[in-house]
Amino acid sequence: AQKVTQAQTEISVVEKEDVTLDCVYETRDTTYYLFWYKQPPSGELVFLIRRNSFDEQNEISGRYSWNFQKSTSSFNFTITASQVVDSAVYFCALSEAVGGYQKVTFGIGTKLQVIP
Amino acid sequence: DAMVIQNPRYQVTQFGKPVTLSCSQTLNHNVMYWYQQKSSQAPKLLFHYYDKDFNNEADTPDNFQSRRPNTSFCFLDIRSPGLGDAAMYLCATSRDWGRTTETQYFGPGTRLLVL
Repeated sequence: AQKVTQAQTEISVVEKEDVTLDCVYETRDTTYYLFWYKQPPSGELVFLIRRNSFDEQNEISGRYSWNFQKSTSSFNFTITASQVVDSAVYFCALSEAVGGYQKVTFGIGTKLQVIP
Repeated sequence: DAMVIQNPRYQVTQFGKPVTLSCSQTLNHNVMYWYQQKSSQAPKLLFHYYDKDFNNEADTPDNFQSRRPNTSFCFLDIRSPGLGDAAMYLCATSRDWGRTTETQYFGPGTRLLVL
């Protein structure tokens, strides 16, 4: 069975600090997709990134960057120069085909608080 | 802007009184999902529709039902809400099914309170 572990339940940083959110996953499949979603206090899950299992290139988007390492089954997310607006719960998720449909497993989430 | 809309954003119901939550989408996606998210927990998939085909998760209680009258709308019916059903209910859509490339796009959620 697939599993996503986000060991950090809560993190607090001071504005402008860098912060890394960890995500470790388990799957038996060779083809799968990894996602990060942001959930601000308003509740909506906002899609941030999707990465397939065959693409281990790191990605940078503005202040956000992602480090995918298949060897350690990790897909970590770094926010550079954090801002108060980054305060939210961040979910890592794993998607793979199960019985002919897409099964998404979410981690428990990491609550990030950025202190001004 | 194309989006996923959920109404109402907050719903209060009484113990045992049926309640319906609604979701609509302008993305013209084939697949619609309902998730339940309790406080400080990950979203849990209840069921999904691929077009009109309904797919229930094995551990979804019978108390939860869903309807999808057309591509744009999907409803979650809770026949007899219990206190344990108080949660955020998230609707999501994806363009297609059975392909792991498809990203799910979420609505803002409906927070259900059961008194």
